[in-house]
Amino acid sequence: EDQVTQSPEALRLQEGESSSLNCSYTVSGLRGLFWYRQDPGKGPEFLFTLYSAGEEKEKERLKATLTKKESFLHITAPKPEDSATYLCAVQEISSGSARQLTFGSGTQLTVLP
Amino acid sequence: SQTIHQWPATLVQPVGSPLSLECTVEGTSNPNLYWYRQAAGRGLQLLFYSVGIGQISSEVPQNLSASRPQDRQFILSSKKLLLSDSSFYLCAWSGINHYGYTFGSGTRLTVV
Repeated sequence: EDQVTQSPEALRLQEGESSSLNCSYTVSGLRGLFWYRQDPGKGPEFLFTLYSAGEEKEKERLKATLTKKESFLHITAPKPEDSATYLCAVQEISSGSARQLTFGSGTQLTVLP
Repeated sequence: SQTIHQWPATLVQPVGSPLSLECTVEGTSNPNLYWYRQAAGRGLQLLFYSVGIGQISSEVPQNLSASRPQDRQFILSSKKLLLSDSSFYLCAWSGINHYGYTFGSGTRLTVV
């Protein structure tokens, strides 16, 4: 059973058209939920860490929120440069000092001018 | 500040040849180190992680191995590459005060 599921797999938006990406997770104890942005052919770039339900974080046009079962990445008035694959990952308390991250398969966002 | 270096950026190797990918971290001590693999259009699959020198944990049985000869050096190896080893390989580190990962720039491996 998948621990982290992201939806949709792909999303095409017009510039300025706000939307949300979803990350649902199933873990016994969440230490943290992480959002990354990945451009083609590059390593993922860290965006946010969320630790507890109700927490929110913002960075420019992006806002991440967390509940006990899912996280949303809200994109407000996106621009073409926001086009990328957005990855969600969870870290379980049981991972201990190893701190492994389990990743979802990502949402490929395309923002059209 | 901490930096992570991964090389080479691209690699084309024949089937049956050996592999060595290297990753080094600067600006921190005793980091956790990780090797991930990413198939085209897919998420990241954890291959190996290390919490200290000489300590390697394998997540997925495969044709690959990892070693950590120094505190901030992590190496991904294979004795004989398979076509199925073609993928995008990523190294990452995390620290005691940095639960998330910082990733390297990745290596695109094509086995022909």
